[in-house]
Amino acid sequence: QSVLTQPPSASGTPGQRVTISCSGSSSNIGSNYVYWYQQLPGTAPKLLIYRNNQRPSGVPDRFSGSKSGTSASLAISGLRSEDEADYYCAAWDDSLSGRDVVFGGGTKLTVL
Amino acid sequence: QVQLQESGPGLVKPSQTLSLTCTVSGGSISSGGYYWSWIRQHPGKGLEWIGYIYYSGSTYYNPSLKSRVTISVDTSKNQFSLKLSSVTAADTAVYYCASLLWGFDYWGQGTLVTVSS
Repeated sequence: QSVLTQPPSASGTPGQRVTISCSGSSSNIGSNYVYWYQQLPGTAPKLLIYRNNQRPSGVPDRFSGSKSGTSASLAISGLRSEDEADYYCAAWDDSLSGRDVVFGGGTKLTVL
Repeated sequence: QVQLQESGPGLVKPSQTLSLTCTVSGGSISSGGYYWSWIRQHPGKGLEWIGYIYYSGSTYYNPSLKSRVTISVDTSKNQFSLKLSSVTAADTAVYYCASLLWGFDYWGQGTLVTVSS
């Protein structure tokens, strides 16, 4: 059971806009930045979004992130076949023992 | 560009200690700012953060694994290491090393470790 909650699957057709949600609590998303990772089949995850809505160099502006309260979303516009991957959200969690890193369970995006 | 590479046995017997090393190239592990991390992914499952270390040696571990995990750093070799003791089949996973600054920004390719007799 992951600390952050994501839908297990999402889908869209080429050119469409899709969003993936990530729900947490006041100790993680509610008080810390959210990060998003893309994991293409058979590869290591790649940082897609940091500090809620910032894109690392090289990440297309088709990818955008947002946060409101204890939830966050990743939006992908102009969907392309190469976007088919698993997407994970993550955040710091201010637990009793310090600062943990927590992940969502992942969302498998299918491009139809 | 920082690159990371995991190395270590791909097969570990139950009750033994899993040991992996991550070699960092393209940057100094002592340069500061980064936390050097281990993350694992059970087959067909999501990501699980194991812990991280700063070049000074300060560590922080996932509370659920803390009793069995040790992460250390060797700045002279530009490496950091993971030890996970008393392993069981539930520790079978792909283990990734990664640098942590604004998110886990650089990752190794991952190494599959199977726990089996």
